[in-house]
Amino acid sequence: AQSVTQPDIHITVSEGASLELRCNYSYGATPYLFWYVQSPGQGLQLLLKYFSGDTLVQGIKGFEAEFKRSQSSFNLRKPSVHWSDAAEYFCAVGPSGGSYIPTFGRGTSLIVHP
Amino acid sequence: GAGVSQSPSNKVTEKGKDVELRCDPISGHTALYWYRQSLGQGLEFLIYFQGNSAPDKSGLPSDRFSAERTGGSVSTLTIQRTQQEDSAVYLCASSATQGTEAFFGQGTRLTVV
Repeated sequence: AQSVTQPDIHITVSEGASLELRCNYSYGATPYLFWYVQSPGQGLQLLLKYFSGDTLVQGIKGFEAEFKRSQSSFNLRKPSVHWSDAAEYFCAVGPSGGSYIPTFGRGTSLIVHP
Repeated sequence: GAGVSQSPSNKVTEKGKDVELRCDPISGHTALYWYRQSLGQGLEFLIYFQGNSAPDKSGLPSDRFSAERTGGSVSTLTIQRTQQEDSAVYLCASSATQGTEAFFGQGTRLTVV
């Protein structure tokens, strides 16, 4: 069965600092990978996705993520964090192969200090 | 519609009552998912609909939970005899086909008192 691990429950950064949120997955084949963001009281918004091809993907709001097959990772990065980036971030393994149900990590809460 | 729409946005109900939560997916999307998000927790899969196929109900936590999808579009999640542990945000998502990204609604916050 596919699974997603986000090892950091909370991350605190200063505004303007760089950010990396970790995501590791377990899946038997090449997965579809996603990062979503959830602001308080809101649904989830897609930041970026990886299906195939270039392993460095660009998303909205200045975010990027890199798929590393050898490490089973899909870490999310941003070079300079803004206060408005404070939110909950979810990594997900998408429907692929025999399992059509996206599996989500437990999320990482990003706190941004001024 | 432009996005996934869920109603109501908030629901407070008394323990033991039944509730119905509604989801309007993006027009033309064949796949529809229900997830539950409890306070401080990730997303717990509940049920998945794909076209006219039989739904995948493997995530439903008990037989008090059921869902249907009429005409391949609108879906209703029903919780019978609600319990306090059912309090959570219920999220609906749809995707164009299997394997593509899911688009989420704003969720329904259910509080059982």
